[in-house]
Amino acid sequence: GQQLNQSPQSMFIQEGEDVSMNCTSSSIFNTWLWYKQDPGEGPVLLIALYKAGELTSNGRLTAQFGITRKDSFLNISASIPSDVGIYFCAGQNTNAGKSTFGDGTTLTVKP
Amino acid sequence: DAGITQSPRHKVTETGTPVTLRCHQTENHRYMYWYRQDPGHGLRLIHYSYGVKDTDKGEVSDGYSVSRSKTEDFLLTLESATSSQTSVYFCAIRAALPFGYTFGSGTRLTVV
Repeated sequence: GQQLNQSPQSMFIQEGEDVSMNCTSSSIFNTWLWYKQDPGEGPVLLIALYKAGELTSNGRLTAQFGITRKDSFLNISASIPSDVGIYFCAGQNTNAGKSTFGDGTTLTVKP
Repeated sequence: DAGITQSPRHKVTETGTPVTLRCHQTENHRYMYWYRQDPGHGLRLIHYSYGVKDTDKGEVSDGYSVSRSKTEDFLLTLESATSSQTSVYFCAIRAALPFGYTFGSGTRLTVV
């Protein structure tokens, strides 16, 4: 089946630093999604991308849908302690809306 | 304003016993999904539903069955639990745009 490679696996940064993570696939997706998961909770949708080349922001978060439709990027600017968590990318293709998830990037922010 | 609830939140069961997890939504969404989350594997799709009594398999469906007799409820059953099914199980629902999921808070299942 389709697989997503998400990197880096983990990041340790200082508060105030910018963060970049990405997701690549061997297959094309029509929709890319980014989620954040806090401990003990389900993932929460951050950003959805629908067109190749699209750049979308949500506060300090910016995500891009790669032109090849096989990758996506998430940037977090000026990180704060509450950014700590696991970030997942997901690709989606079919009308049934099945999503394939990356393995996640665990973000730790040091005050 | 949960919109989606899972029960139980935690369960410990013995190998070989049947287990049913419940997902309940109040959003009237057509699509519902069951995923499992394991360290190093992210979220993997077990089964999904695209309407009442309409279900299909995901990538890790062996050992699991599902039922959806009402729009609001999607049940996941482990017919005979095994230790490899120890995991955190998430239910999700999907609206139209933005196509993303709303996840429940998860069920942590331990099979001993």
